[in-house]
Amino acid sequence: DIQMTQSPSSLSASVGDRVTITCRASQGIRNDLGWYQQKPGKAPKRLIYAASSLQSGVPSRFSGSGSGTEFTLTISSLQPEDFATYYCLQHNSYPPTFGQGTKLEIK
Amino acid sequence: EVQLVESGGVVVQPGGSLRLSCAASGFTFDDYTMHWVRQAPGKGLEWVSLISWDGGSTYYADSVKGRFTISRDNSKNSLYLQMNSLRTEDTALYYCAKASGYSSGYMDVWGKGTTVTVSS
Repeated sequence: DIQMTQSPSSLSASVGDRVTITCRASQGIRNDLGWYQQKPGKAPKRLIYAASSLQSGVPSRFSGSGSGTEFTLTISSLQPEDFATYYCLQHNSYPPTFGQGTKLEIK
Repeated sequence: EVQLVESGGVVVQPGGSLRLSCAASGFTFDDYTMHWVRQAPGKGLEWVSLISWDGGSTYYADSVKGRFTISRDNSKNSLYLQMNSLRTEDTALYYCAKASGYSSGYMDVWGKGTTVTVSS
């Protein structure tokens, strides 16, 4: 199985900050990676697919990059509604595997 | 509007059985692979199982293999998860999720989940 190592596990930041979350795959997964946002008590919401493609309706302050084994999710200017937990997902091969999550908290 | 509604979550004793259901609407159900994903209290997301559009292929996480069975009824636009030999570590919120059209392993729409509690 492909292991996804996500870092950091938690992050404190302020409104307006630029933040970056990283996921590393245990083997190459091309660009078969997605990012999700989850708020307390809610289902995950898709943000990015194919490593860098923004889902329709997602604000442009979110961006993704990477290929192979290293990927990043960047939020260019944090907004109050962005404080949540973020997960990466590799779907290059079965089983699909999630990163451990990054909890983004208000400083 | 694409919608997934899970049901069937209850409190069950260790060793017990349970069947979860997911009712799908707003899309052509039999065109898509479907997934179950779970989240233990305070923990991250764990993929559980998937089934191909026609039910011909199924995959399971090692943690549930041999105990859980995924199935679907395309005539009823429904997905199921039969859970046997339940353990306390199966306690979680179980989500039904639709695979995207671009990749069967990427989940693009999620239900709100149904809670399974395994406790004596």
